[in-house]
Amino acid sequence: QQPVQSPQAVILREGEDAVINCSSSKALYSVHWYRQKHGEAPVFLMILLKGGEQKGHEKISASFNEKKQQSSLYLTASQLSYSGTYFCGTDRIIQGAQKLVFGQGTRLTINP
Amino acid sequence: NAGVTQTPKFQVLKTGQSMTLQCAQDMNHEYMSWYRQDPGMGLRLIHYSVGAGITDQGEVPNGYNVSRSTTEDFPLRLLSAAPSQTSVYFCASSYTQENTGELFFGEGSRLTVL
Repeated sequence: QQPVQSPQAVILREGEDAVINCSSSKALYSVHWYRQKHGEAPVFLMILLKGGEQKGHEKISASFNEKKQQSSLYLTASQLSYSGTYFCGTDRIIQGAQKLVFGQGTRLTINP
Repeated sequence: NAGVTQTPKFQVLKTGQSMTLQCAQDMNHEYMSWYRQDPGMGLRLIHYSVGAGITDQGEVPNGYNVSRSTTEDFPLRLLSAAPSQTSVYFCASSYTQENTGELFFGEGSRLTVL
């Protein structure tokens, strides 16, 4: 079962903030965040490991709440370059091995 | 340093034809995987490999075969293409087979099955 992302899409003006949520029905050990621009490959942003650690990447940060089985990605003072589709990835047991399963994505559009 | 290289970038097949999507990485990564991406579905894991000679199934393995004879290469084979396999395919590799490693993605291969 895939993690669930919300919202599915968001439109902002440059300089505004955004929050993207990722939730799972099962216990999480790690959460990955990736960004994909149209027609390109996904690019790694950050990994959060079990322990509730909050990480940052420029003006993009994320939190991981194990008890709630969810992670949130925070984009502060958004820039035009932040536009793209954001994916979270969480752990699943597939064929007896722990593997990364992605959510359906959140499309972020930043307008001037 | 090329990273992850996929070929071809575009391919059109007729139903029932077979083909191989190639994936090569030059980072000496042990872990390699194939994902397919469909609108509204995100990235779904097809097959993966934790090292040469070792492969296993992901979420959506039906209709696809893989092999890993070398560390560098991880081809994906469609034995009898179906329209449901129309998708964008991404190969990805990681230094570690644990879920603590960054995935490096290729540029993708867009496949259309008529």
